[in-house]
Amino acid sequence: NAGVTQTPKFQVLKTGQSMTLQCAQDMNHEYMSWYRQDPGMGLRLIHYSVGAGITDQGEVPNGYNVSRSTTEDFPLRLLSAAPSQTSVYFCASSRLAGGRPYEQYFGPGTRLTVT
Amino acid sequence: AQKVTQAQTEISVVEKEDVTLDCVYETRDTTYYLFWYKQPPSGELVFLIRRNSFDEQNEISGRYSWNFQKSTSSFNFTITASQVVDSAVYFCALSETGGGNKLTFGTGTQLKVEL
Repeated sequence: NAGVTQTPKFQVLKTGQSMTLQCAQDMNHEYMSWYRQDPGMGLRLIHYSVGAGITDQGEVPNGYNVSRSTTEDFPLRLLSAAPSQTSVYFCASSRLAGGRPYEQYFGPGTRLTVT
Repeated sequence: AQKVTQAQTEISVVEKEDVTLDCVYETRDTTYYLFWYKQPPSGELVFLIRRNSFDEQNEISGRYSWNFQKSTSSFNFTITASQVVDSAVYFCALSETGGGNKLTFGTGTQLKVEL
């Protein structure tokens, strides 16, 4: 099993550009999520999904879109990049059973710089 | 709203010392889950432990142990006989039931273990 994979590993964007961060998991997990990690702030939830076709906002959703057309994939789209979106982005997945949260498995991260 | 506080920003110890990382949480739910993750210098996030609010038994796994006390809303993590390989950022996180698996992270504690 590859676990959770993310592409690209590094990306530099200019202000106003758009791009999609890819995330895939091969563990048949229902739950997938995106976090951003900024110095001194821990990880903050951007968007999450509890299954194909179902997404919802987390703590810091502005400027990001997501979709979940399959169980495996959960791409994160930056609509118009801003310097404030410079961060490390992590995708994660976990199983859900009876509403109980299980441990999340994280991808290796994408380091994004917006100039 | 839920909150996780890791008041220790950085801890430095000498190898073989014991070290305790503090985690204090706030939640209005009676059922919740607590997690610890490790982020070594390579950047990936590694799951260490998951504990639900009904299980206050302490847990030991090798050199790692966790002390969960509902009375003080704390879930502290102790490394016994620390090693250089324990150097990492450690995150405590909280998830309430009924909200999918949304994690609220603390800001992390940077542990440096020196020879």
